[in-house]
Amino acid sequence: DAGVIQSPRHEVTEMGQEVTLRCKPISGHNSLFWYRQTMMRGLELLIYFNNNVPIDDSGMPEDRFSAKMPNASFSTLKIQPSEPRDSAVYFCASRSPGDNEKLFFGSGTQLSVL
Amino acid sequence: GENVEQHPSTLSVQEGDSAVIKCTYSDSASNYFPWYKQELGKRPQLIIDIRSNVGEKKDQRIAVTLNKTAKHFSLHITETQPEDSAVYFCAAKPGGYQKVTFGTGTKLQVIP
Repeated sequence: DAGVIQSPRHEVTEMGQEVTLRCKPISGHNSLFWYRQTMMRGLELLIYFNNNVPIDDSGMPEDRFSAKMPNASFSTLKIQPSEPRDSAVYFCASRSPGDNEKLFFGSGTQLSVL
Repeated sequence: GENVEQHPSTLSVQEGDSAVIKCTYSDSASNYFPWYKQELGKRPQLIIDIRSNVGEKKDQRIAVTLNKTAKHFSLHITETQPEDSAVYFCAAKPGGYQKVTFGTGTKLQVIP
Protein backbone atom coordinates (compact mmCIF):
# COMPACT_ATOMS: atom_id res chain seq x y z
CA ASP A 1 0.00 0.00 0.00
CA ALA A 2 1.28 3.48 -0.84
CA GLY A 3 0.06 4.90 2.43
CA VAL A 4 -2.08 8.00 2.83
CA ILE A 5 -1.71 10.16 -0.26
CA GLN A 6 -2.16 13.91 -0.15
CA SER A 7 -2.09 16.45 -2.92
CA PRO A 8 -0.74 18.91 -3.64
CA ARG A 9 2.48 18.79 -1.57
CA HIS A 10 2.82 22.56 -1.79
CA GLU A 11 0.25 25.21 -2.55
CA VAL A 12 0.92 28.92 -2.88
CA THR A 13 -2.08 31.12 -3.44
CA GLU A 14 -3.24 34.65 -3.00
CA MET A 15 -5.58 35.85 -0.32
CA GLY A 16 -9.19 35.43 -1.35
CA GLN A 17 -8.61 32.46 -3.61
CA GLU A 18 -10.23 29.07 -3.12
CA VAL A 19 -7.94 26.27 -2.03
CA THR A 20 -8.76 22.56 -2.22
CA LEU A 21 -6.64 19.95 -0.50
CA ARG A 22 -7.06 16.28 -1.35
CA CYS A 23 -6.54 13.05 0.51
CA LYS A 24 -6.70 9.37 -0.33
CA PRO A 25 -6.71 7.20 2.81
CA ILE A 26 -5.21 3.74 3.06
CA SER A 27 -7.49 1.15 1.52
CA GLY A 28 -9.61 -0.53 4.20
CA HIS A 29 -9.27 2.29 6.70
CA ASN A 30 -12.63 3.64 7.78
CA SER A 31 -11.65 6.75 9.74
CA LEU A 32 -10.13 9.87 8.21
CA PHE A 33 -8.78 12.92 9.98
CA TRP A 34 -7.74 16.39 8.85
CA TYR A 35 -5.12 18.13 11.01
CA ARG A 36 -3.54 21.56 10.74
CA GLN A 37 -0.01 22.11 12.05
CA THR A 38 1.45 25.48 12.96
CA MET A 39 4.30 26.53 15.19
CA MET A 40 1.93 28.36 17.51
CA ARG A 41 -0.79 25.72 17.90
CA GLY A 42 0.89 22.44 17.09
CA LEU A 43 -1.32 19.70 15.66
CA GLU A 44 -4.98 20.74 15.65
CA LEU A 45 -7.75 18.37 14.64
CA LEU A 46 -10.06 20.12 12.19
CA ILE A 47 -12.54 17.37 11.41
CA TYR A 48 -12.77 13.62 11.29
CA PHE A 49 -14.94 11.15 9.44
CA ASN A 50 -15.96 7.63 10.30
CA ASN A 51 -17.36 5.51 7.46
CA ASN A 52 -17.52 8.69 5.34
CA VAL A 53 -19.71 10.48 7.90
CA PRO A 54 -18.40 13.58 9.70
CA ILE A 55 -18.24 12.77 13.41
CA ASP A 56 -16.63 15.86 14.91
CA ASP A 57 -16.09 19.13 13.07
CA SER A 58 -15.69 21.28 16.15
CA GLY A 59 -12.13 22.09 15.17
CA MET A 60 -13.05 23.69 11.87
CA PRO A 61 -12.04 27.31 12.40
CA GLU A 62 -14.93 29.02 10.64
CA ASP A 63 -17.34 28.82 7.77
CA ARG A 64 -14.57 29.40 5.28
CA PHE A 65 -13.47 25.81 5.90
CA SER A 66 -15.42 22.82 4.63
CA ALA A 67 -14.62 19.14 4.24
CA LYS A 68 -16.23 16.32 2.35
CA MET A 69 -15.77 12.60 2.06
CA PRO A 70 -17.90 11.43 -0.87
CA ASN A 71 -16.57 7.87 -0.70
CA ALA A 72 -14.23 5.68 1.30
CA SER A 73 -11.21 6.50 -0.83
CA PHE A 74 -11.31 10.27 -1.14
CA SER A 75 -11.68 13.39 0.96
CA THR A 76 -11.27 17.11 0.35
CA LEU A 77 -10.66 20.08 2.59
CA LYS A 78 -11.65 23.38 1.04
CA ILE A 79 -10.88 26.91 2.16
CA GLN A 80 -12.88 29.67 0.53
CA PRO A 81 -11.85 32.46 0.65
CA SER A 82 -8.32 31.81 1.90
CA GLU A 83 -6.52 34.19 4.24
CA PRO A 84 -2.83 34.57 5.17
CA ARG A 85 -3.52 33.15 8.65
CA ASP A 86 -4.54 29.87 7.01
CA SER A 87 -0.91 29.30 6.07
CA ALA A 88 0.11 26.01 7.68
CA VAL A 89 0.84 22.37 6.96
CA TYR A 90 -2.35 20.39 6.56
CA PHE A 91 -2.13 16.68 7.30
CA CYS A 92 -4.60 13.98 6.48
CA ALA A 93 -4.50 10.76 8.49
CA SER A 94 -6.42 7.52 8.37
CA ARG A 95 -7.07 4.71 10.82
CA SER A 96 -8.19 1.13 10.41
CA PRO A 97 -11.32 -0.25 12.06
CA GLY A 98 -11.19 -2.32 15.21
CA ASP A 99 -8.96 -1.91 18.22
CA ASN A 100 -5.93 -0.64 16.33
CA GLU A 101 -5.79 3.05 17.18
CA LYS A 102 -2.72 3.90 15.13
CA LEU A 103 -2.98 6.95 12.89
CA PHE A 104 -1.23 6.88 9.54
CA PHE A 105 -0.39 10.36 8.33
CA GLY A 106 0.03 11.57 4.79
CA SER A 107 3.00 13.70 3.76
CA GLY A 108 1.04 16.88 4.30
CA THR A 109 0.25 19.93 2.18
CA GLN A 110 2.29 23.04 2.84
CA LEU A 111 -0.13 25.91 2.23
CA SER A 112 1.07 29.48 1.86
CA VAL A 113 -1.50 32.22 1.44
CA LEU A 114 0.05 35.50 0.34
CA GLY B 1 -12.93 17.95 26.12
CA GLU B 2 -9.51 16.46 26.59
CA ASN B 3 -6.54 18.74 27.26
CA VAL B 4 -3.00 17.40 26.93
CA GLU B 5 -0.04 19.36 28.24
CA GLN B 6 3.52 18.46 27.29
CA HIS B 7 6.87 19.48 28.76
CA PRO B 8 9.48 20.55 27.99
CA SER B 9 8.94 22.31 24.67
CA THR B 10 12.62 21.91 23.79
CA LEU B 11 15.22 19.48 25.08
CA SER B 12 18.91 19.18 24.28
CA VAL B 13 20.91 16.17 25.40
CA GLN B 14 24.36 14.80 24.69
CA GLU B 15 24.56 11.70 22.56
CA GLY B 16 24.33 8.66 24.80
CA ASP B 17 22.40 10.40 27.54
CA SER B 18 18.75 9.77 28.34
CA ALA B 19 15.82 12.01 27.44
CA VAL B 20 12.50 12.24 29.25
CA ILE B 21 9.37 13.97 27.99
CA LYS B 22 6.35 14.34 30.23
CA CYS B 23 2.65 14.79 29.50
CA THR B 24 -0.48 15.27 31.55
CA TYR B 25 -4.07 14.78 30.46
CA SER B 26 -7.38 15.95 31.86
CA ASP B 27 -10.05 13.45 30.78
CA SER B 28 -10.19 10.45 33.07
CA ALA B 29 -11.98 8.57 30.27
CA SER B 30 -8.82 8.56 28.14
CA ASN B 31 -7.42 5.06 27.88
CA TYR B 32 -5.01 5.18 24.95
CA PHE B 33 -1.77 7.18 24.92
CA PRO B 34 0.36 7.18 21.77
CA TRP B 35 3.63 8.94 21.06
CA TYR B 36 4.47 10.25 17.60
CA LYS B 37 7.83 11.29 16.22
CA GLN B 38 8.08 13.91 13.51
CA GLU B 39 11.40 14.46 11.79
CA LEU B 40 12.02 17.79 10.11
CA GLY B 41 9.79 18.19 7.07
CA LYS B 42 8.29 14.74 7.50
CA ARG B 43 4.98 13.30 8.65
CA PRO B 44 4.30 12.27 12.27
CA GLN B 45 4.81 8.55 12.83
CA LEU B 46 3.77 6.40 15.75
CA ILE B 47 6.74 5.14 17.76
CA ILE B 48 5.09 3.62 20.81
CA ASP B 49 1.74 3.56 22.55
CA ILE B 50 0.30 2.41 25.85
CA ARG B 51 -3.15 1.54 27.07
CA SER B 52 -4.55 2.31 30.47
CA ASN B 53 -4.41 -1.29 31.67
CA VAL B 54 -0.62 -1.21 31.50
CA GLY B 55 1.79 0.85 33.59
CA GLU B 56 4.88 0.59 31.41
CA LYS B 57 5.86 -0.51 27.93
CA LYS B 58 9.29 -0.84 26.35
CA ASP B 59 10.54 -1.13 22.82
CA GLN B 60 14.33 -1.28 22.58
CA ARG B 61 15.63 2.16 23.61
CA ILE B 62 12.24 3.76 24.16
CA ALA B 63 9.79 3.25 26.98
CA VAL B 64 6.57 4.83 28.11
CA THR B 65 5.17 4.95 31.62
CA LEU B 66 1.62 5.76 32.66
CA ASN B 67 0.24 6.90 36.00
CA LYS B 68 -3.54 6.89 35.68
CA THR B 69 -4.12 8.19 39.18
CA ALA B 70 -2.05 11.28 38.54
CA LYS B 71 -3.09 11.47 34.87
CA HIS B 72 0.40 11.70 33.52
CA PHE B 73 2.56 9.67 31.18
CA SER B 74 6.15 9.95 30.05
CA LEU B 75 8.43 8.96 27.20
CA HIS B 76 11.92 7.78 28.03
CA ILE B 77 14.65 7.45 25.42
CA THR B 78 17.90 5.85 26.57
CA GLU B 79 21.30 5.95 24.85
CA THR B 80 20.15 8.77 22.60
CA GLN B 81 21.54 8.99 19.07
CA PRO B 82 21.60 11.89 16.60
CA GLU B 83 18.80 10.24 14.60
CA ASP B 84 16.55 10.62 17.65
CA SER B 85 16.53 14.37 16.98
CA ALA B 86 12.94 15.26 16.08
CA VAL B 87 9.73 16.68 17.48
CA TYR B 88 7.87 14.26 19.72
CA PHE B 89 4.14 14.51 20.34
CA CYS B 90 2.22 12.80 23.09
CA ALA B 91 -1.52 12.24 22.74
CA ALA B 92 -4.53 10.92 24.60
CA LYS B 93 -7.76 9.33 23.44
CA PRO B 94 -10.89 7.99 25.13
CA GLY B 95 -12.43 4.77 23.90
CA GLY B 96 -14.83 4.48 21.01
CA TYR B 97 -15.12 6.88 18.12
CA GLN B 98 -13.37 9.70 19.89
CA LYS B 99 -10.66 11.99 18.66
CA VAL B 100 -6.98 11.88 19.52
CA THR B 101 -5.83 15.04 21.29
CA PHE B 102 -2.17 15.92 20.83
CA GLY B 103 0.22 17.74 23.10
CA THR B 104 2.11 20.75 21.77
CA GLY B 105 5.27 18.81 21.01
CA THR B 106 8.85 18.60 22.31
CA LYS B 107 11.74 19.40 20.03
CA LEU B 108 14.55 17.04 20.98
CA GLN B 109 18.08 17.78 19.88
CA VAL B 110 20.75 15.14 20.40
CA ILE B 111 24.19 16.70 20.30
CA PRO B 112 26.91 14.42 18.87
